[in-house]
Amino acid sequence: QKEVEQNSGPLSVPEGAIASLNCTYSDRGSQSFFWYRQYSGKSPELIMSIYSNGDKEDGRFTAQLNKASQYVSLLIRDSQPSDSATYLCAVQGGSEKLVFGKGTKLTVNP
Amino acid sequence: GAVVSQHPSWVICKSGTSVKIECRSLDFQATTMFWYRQFPKQSLMLMATSNEGSKATYEQGVEKDKFLINHASLTLSTLTVTSAHPEDSSFYICSATPLREGTDTQYFGPGTRLTVL
Repeated sequence: QKEVEQNSGPLSVPEGAIASLNCTYSDRGSQSFFWYRQYSGKSPELIMSIYSNGDKEDGRFTAQLNKASQYVSLLIRDSQPSDSATYLCAVQGGSEKLVFGKGTKLTVNP
Repeated sequence: GAVVSQHPSWVICKSGTSVKIECRSLDFQATTMFWYRQFPKQSLMLMATSNEGSKATYEQGVEKDKFLINHASLTLSTLTVTSAHPEDSSFYICSATPLREGTDTQYFGPGTRLTVL
């Protein structure tokens, strides 16, 4: 059973701080890794994808991947209240199917 | 680019009736579309993988005769919930992967909220 684990939170940070979201996965053969943001009552929205070890930056977002530790993280710099949402980590193996974590609820307090 | 639409966005039906949900990729072609279901405060659960021109592949525990999937073209997949019951009330979301070399990213539709009375 392929599993993706995330802290359910809630994670609460003040506006302007760095929010750190973590994810571990069980399938060592996983090849593609994604972070989605989901606002309440809405569908997931892709934030970032990462495929190789190291960091990948896109604006205020940085994804980090460590395949040896089977660990993916997402850092949000200068957090804004509009970043308040549930963040879903998704992992893809040899097939196209995504396995989602249960999500971490982030609240950014003004 | 990579916009996926769903119709309807919400639907209320009586128990025992059937409901059809459409998923369209608006600005790209997709050989594969996926159907998910999400219950309140839970994560997305994959129901089935829909391939254009062939039968859908259902996840374990998903009744293929209850959730009929048709992927008639490279831009359209439909999910029909047959003989719906209150326990089928959920948020149904589709996704699609662009038919472009080098991408395996799934883009999600806005979802369809089904309420069965």
